[in-house]
Amino acid sequence: EPEVTQTPSHQVTQMGQEVILRCVPISNHLYFYWYRQILGQKVEFLVSFYNNEISEKSEIFDDQFSVERPDGSNFTLKIRSTKLEDSAMYFCASSVLRRWDTQYFGPGTRLTVL
Amino acid sequence: QKEVEQDPGPLSVPEGAIVSLNCTYSNSAFQYFMWYRQYSRKGPELLMYTYSSGNKEDGRFTAQVDKSSKYISLFIRDSQPSDSATYLCAMSMDSNYQLIWGAGTKLIIKP
Repeated sequence: EPEVTQTPSHQVTQMGQEVILRCVPISNHLYFYWYRQILGQKVEFLVSFYNNEISEKSEIFDDQFSVERPDGSNFTLKIRSTKLEDSAMYFCASSVLRRWDTQYFGPGTRLTVL
Repeated sequence: QKEVEQDPGPLSVPEGAIVSLNCTYSNSAFQYFMWYRQYSRKGPELLMYTYSSGNKEDGRFTAQVDKSSKYISLFIRDSQPSDSATYLCAMSMDSNYQLIWGAGTKLIIKP
C-alpha cells in the first residue's frame, strides 16, 4: 500500500538554527500539507500546497516557515531560526483531492529545539 | 473557550468492553465530524466521519453526532488490545475546509 514517508524521524537542533524537514508524498497525489502537534496538544494545520504554490496557510505559518517541492517527489518544510517553541511533531500529508477525507499522513518528524 | 475539547485520558478498559470516546465543540457551523486513530510514532489515520447529525456504523465502530448539544461520540464494541491508540476528533465547516482538531484521548485496552 502506498504511504507518505518523512525524514528524519527525529531532528535535534540548536535554537537559532535552520532545519529542513522532508516528505515524500504518495506519487499520484496533488495536494500536500504540513501539520504540527506540540506534545500533549492538538494537531494544528500549517500549510497546504498545490500546483507549486501555497493554497492556504494558518496564522502559525509566518515568515519563519517556507515550503518547497524541489523535484517531482519531495516536499519540504524549512524552519528558519528555530525557537524552543518550535519543538513538536511535524506531520506531512498528501491527498488526491482537496478534501480532508482523502488525506494520508506520514509518520511524522519529531523536532527538538535545544 | 476552546473550539474543540477532548479529554486526554488515558482511558483504560478491559478487552471486550464497550468504549465511549467524546468531544464537545463550540462552533455551530461545523458540519463534518471526524474520528482519527493515531498509533504511537505514526500519523493520524481517518477512521470514519459523519456529516451533520446522526449515527454512522462501521464494523465495531459507531460515530454519533448531537448538534443540539454540540457533542460527538465514538463507540467501540468488543474492544481489542489492537485498538489501543490515541483517538482524535476533528471537525470542519466544509469538505475542503481546514480541520479543527481535539487534543486526542489515549485509549488502553488491557488483555
